Amino acid sequence: EVQLVESGGGLVQPGGSLRLSCAASGFTFSSCDMHWVRQVTGKGLEWVSAIGTAGDTYYPDSVKGRFTISRENAKNSLYLQMNSLRAGDTAMYYCARASVSGLPDYWGQGTLVTVSS
Amino acid sequence: EIVLTQSPATLSLSPGERATLSCRASQSVSTYLAWYQQKPGQAPRLLIYDASNRATGIPARFSGSGSGTDFTLTISSLEPEDFAVYYCQQRDNWPYTFGQGTKLEIK
Repeated sequence: EVQLVESGGGLVQPGGSLRLSCAASGFTFSSCDMHWVRQVTGKGLEWVSAIGTAGDTYYPDSVKGRFTISRENAKNSLYLQMNSLRAGDTAMYYCARASVSGLPDYWGQGTLVTVSS
Repeated sequence: EIVLTQSPATLSLSPGERATLSCRASQSVSTYLAWYQQKPGQAPRLLIYDASNRATGIPARFSGSGSGTDFTLTISSLEPEDFAVYYCQQRDNWPYTFGQGTKLEIK
């Protein structure tokens, strides 16, 4: 059974940093692209980043230069380093596995990030 | 950036009725479009990928169609558990954008 478990969320001050982790199990992690997607409470989904099996990374302009996605295949783990956090980054952050189509098929339950003074 | 526009924003229907949800792209995304269902307090669930392929375990009442800029998610006969928010997402170009969602509510 595919499982994705996020951790690392919490309350952080504007300008601060946070590192999210995602522990993966039930599939061959090293063979799958991975995504981070976020959702402001009561709002829609926003794609945040992706990493390919070769370590290639992708970001939207809204987080480029502030967020860094990485993976550690030996630990079946995905990470999101978030720097220079803003109030607008407050959201639930989901880790997701990419299907053969490239888009997420399995999702974790999310970890909540709150940026506030 | 490709903008996906979903319509309607809210769709009010009764169980047993047919639901038709639309997703329009600001430029062609070929067939590189997925549909997700999200219920309150839950993570999204993949329904359809590459415009018309049902994901594993998705009931046959869900179907997707379209190519280029116009896509449709059809639920042939609504079950009580189908009332939720539905999102489309494209993978033709980075960034992989989502539509703003359609809320399917019970009439």
